[in-house]
Amino acid sequence: NAGVTQTPKFRVLKTGQSMTLLCAQDMNHEYMYWYRQDPGMGLRLIHYSVGEGTTAKGEVPDGYNVSRLKKQNFLLGLESAAPSQTSVYFCASSYHDKPGYTFGSGTRLTVV
Amino acid sequence: DQQVKQNSPSLSVQEGRISILNCDYTNSMFDYFLWYKKYPAEGPTFLISISSIKDKNEDGRFTVFLNKSAKHLSLHIVPSQPGDSAVYFCAASEGYSSASKIIFGSGTRLSIRP
Repeated sequence: NAGVTQTPKFRVLKTGQSMTLLCAQDMNHEYMYWYRQDPGMGLRLIHYSVGEGTTAKGEVPDGYNVSRLKKQNFLLGLESAAPSQTSVYFCASSYHDKPGYTFGSGTRLTVV
Repeated sequence: DQQVKQNSPSLSVQEGRISILNCDYTNSMFDYFLWYKKYPAEGPTFLISISSIKDKNEDGRFTVFLNKSAKHLSLHIVPSQPGDSAVYFCAASEGYSSASKIIFGSGTRLSIRP
């Protein structure tokens, strides 16, 4: 039972490059989320999805795009990476009527 | 403006003693509160939660207390064990359902010393 799987675990990008982070969950959760964690800032919500084909902005959405074409997958895209996007990114998922999230193990992204 | 605040970035406690982690919130609409635990290189894991209709919830060595009038909650760990060394995030939401986005605090790093 894999839970929430994030790919890749580590990545170094040059400023201006693009990339996509993949999140996959096998728990049939309706809701999925992307957070970023920065020192002293805790976890901040980037985008989230309440179902297949739907997405919404969170607290810090600028510079990111997302897609949820399949219920089990939630993709986070950076079209033109900036050093300010250096962070650890966490994906999470949940049932629509139960509290608490299941998190992935994170993707450490460095933009140079 | 942080709606969920953990003012202590770190805490060191002797093994066997009580660990008390504190959290304050500013949004009076929050009615569901959670604690997550995070080890290095892993994602946060759900630890314990409490609804605003209660003032205490206990699960084994972990107890969460909620003081709504003070907008304050705390996590007590008794007795503290070496495996409790981790970062603890306080979180809050408007509503029980996960349709409500969870707002996280900045975390407190707990170290349990022998």
